[in-house]
Amino acid sequence: GQNIDQPTEMTATEGAIVQINCTYQTSGFNGLFWYQQHAGEAPTFLSYNVLDGLEEKGRFSSFLSRSKGYSYLLLKELQMKDSASYLCASLDSNYQLIWGAGTKLIIKP
Amino acid sequence: IAGITQAPTSQILAAGRRMTLRCTQDMRHNAMYWYRQDLGLGLRLIHYSNTAGTTGKGEVPDGYSVSRANTDDFPLTLASAVPSQTSVYFCASSPTSGNTGELFFGEGSRLTVL
Repeated sequence: GQNIDQPTEMTATEGAIVQINCTYQTSGFNGLFWYQQHAGEAPTFLSYNVLDGLEEKGRFSSFLSRSKGYSYLLLKELQMKDSASYLCASLDSNYQLIWGAGTKLIIKP
Repeated sequence: IAGITQAPTSQILAAGRRMTLRCTQDMRHNAMYWYRQDLGLGLRLIHYSNTAGTTGKGEVPDGYSVSRANTDDFPLTLASAVPSQTSVYFCASSPTSGNTGELFFGEGSRLTVL
């Protein structure tokens, strides 16, 4: 079956760095996506990886290893506004997005 | 402001009633989607439409129907609501006919079925 695993909740300190991991098992693979969702709001697109390696975009970076079925989202210089849920999703061979349940990130001062 | 508008934002509904969630986009995107989001679960696709005039079933289509008469509108109908359909519903769109994974979401419709 298809499966996306990510931690349910993580806590980090303002100004620090946090890494949110995601492992995926899907029928085929056409890319790995990260979305941010603040409480009560819509998900918004953060990043897309289809090739192995690190993609950096400001304070956020996303890494992919296709051979390991593994990705992570790295958030640097954490700010209070980064408190949100982070959703990992894999695009399968039918171009359907398979979503993880999300990781709730709590930032403490 | 360009984007996706959903209505209503919140609704309490008696079981057995019919309900239509509205979704309108002004970005001229080809593809549109309806997802439900439940606590502890990932977003689950209910129905999708790759282009006006076509629709398809997602992962959890039972009890729901959609139509796509034009590019902008993609309503979701619950013919006879049941308590298990209590959820937050998100409409989304993408510019291309196929799913490239980068979706634009509406603000969601919170539905409670009693």
